[in-house]
Amino acid sequence: DIVMTQSPDSLAVSLGERATIDCKSSQSVLYSSDNKNYLAWYQHKPGQPPKLLIYWASTRESGVPDRFSGSGSGTDFTLTISSLQAEDVAVYYCQQFYITPPTFGQGTKVEIK
Amino acid sequence: QVHLVESGGGVVQPGGSLRLSCAASAFTFSSYGMHWVRQAPGKGLEWVAFIRFDGSNKNYADSVQGRFTISRDNSKNTLYLQMNSLRAEDTAIYFCAKDRLPLGYCNGGSCYPADYWGQGTLVTVSS
Repeated sequence: DIVMTQSPDSLAVSLGERATIDCKSSQSVLYSSDNKNYLAWYQHKPGQPPKLLIYWASTRESGVPDRFSGSGSGTDFTLTISSLQAEDVAVYYCQQFYITPPTFGQGTKVEIK
Repeated sequence: QVHLVESGGGVVQPGGSLRLSCAASAFTFSSYGMHWVRQAPGKGLEWVAFIRFDGSNKNYADSVQGRFTISRDNSKNTLYLQMNSLRAEDTAIYFCAKDRLPLGYCNGGSCYPADYWGQGTLVTVSS
């Protein structure tokens, strides 16, 4: 199985400041046939279902604010929230869907400083 | 608007069984692969099972292989998860979720992330 490791486990950021979450996979999730990274980011708030933010490592899902961006390739990925808003408080997960079983990182809790 | 509604959760004794259902609406259910994902109390997300859009292929996490069975009835727009030999560590909120794009099947499993999720149903395994 591909192991996904996120860092940090938690971070506190001031409103309007940048939040950065890293995700590392134990093997590449870049598919050479289509040159796509099979990597997604989800936002999960208590009492709600997870919400898909980013897929193919950097494609923003429809309706997701442009302060959310994804980058990286191969084994190293980053989710950036450019200007943290109060409604962004949540746990964020990366997930690879390149190889079954699809696996999630352990999650990163984002809070307001 | 896509709608997924899970049901069937509850309290069950260790070794017992439950069947979860997920009623889908507002999309062509028979064209989409479907997943079950769970979250144990205080833990992260764990993928449980996937079923191809036509039901012809199924995948399971090692932790549930041989105990859980995913199935679907495309005529009823409903996804199921039959859970047998339940253990305390199966206690979790169970979410159903759909593949982001239709007709996906790659490398023996799903090609896509899950774009819509239900609200979840709580399963508690306790004596």
